[in-house]
Amino acid sequence: GENVEQHPSTLSVQEGDSAVIKCTYSDSASNYFPWYKQELGKRPQLIIDIRSNVGEKKDQRIAVTLNKTAKHFSLHITETQPEDSAVYFCAARGGSQGNLIFGKGTKLSVKP
Amino acid sequence: EADIYQTPRYLVIGTGKKITLECSQTMGHDKMYWYQQDPGMELHLIHYSYGVNSTEKGDLSSESTVSRIRTEHFPLTLESARPSHTSQYLCASSEYFPGLAGNTGELFFGEGSRLTVL
Repeated sequence: GENVEQHPSTLSVQEGDSAVIKCTYSDSASNYFPWYKQELGKRPQLIIDIRSNVGEKKDQRIAVTLNKTAKHFSLHITETQPEDSAVYFCAARGGSQGNLIFGKGTKLSVKP
Repeated sequence: EADIYQTPRYLVIGTGKKITLECSQTMGHDKMYWYQQDPGMELHLIHYSYGVNSTEKGDLSSESTVSRIRTEHFPLTLESARPSHTSQYLCASSEYFPGLAGNTGELFFGEGSRLTVL
């Protein structure tokens, strides 16, 4: 089945700097790669996603890139702000059941 | 407003008690899920359902059981709670056939039920 590895597990940046979180997946049939943000005490919410037929997608300060050959995808946050502080989860959908398989999460701290 | 509702939000209970965590959604989704998560930690899929009368076990073995008698309702039951069951339980739903008509199969989560077993 699918396996998703996520790095780093914790990331601390200064406000205004960029943050990059990387994930690798194992199932070459996976076709959908979302990123979820979970603020402290809140539910996970989708912030951006990418399909396997697209190499890059942007939405204001966040972007996701996908390299199907290497089976890895990354989240890029530019001009970070304190409200970006949260746990970020990458995921991949594949397999016969089509369930999302999540990475273990990255705790991002943005220091003012 | 379309959403996923979980009750109770917080539950403290003694060992050996039977508990049911309720989950209802007004999203109109067929597929529903239960995830177990320690605060800020990894999301573990414990159960999912494709629709009425469908229940499947997830990737993480769990002593809990689920049922799906109505499309919008997906309760989780622990027959005899133990301290090892202390965790947060997140219910979620999605479209069943992602990719059709532009649907991605985005997962929508409820606010969670935080269970503490003493």
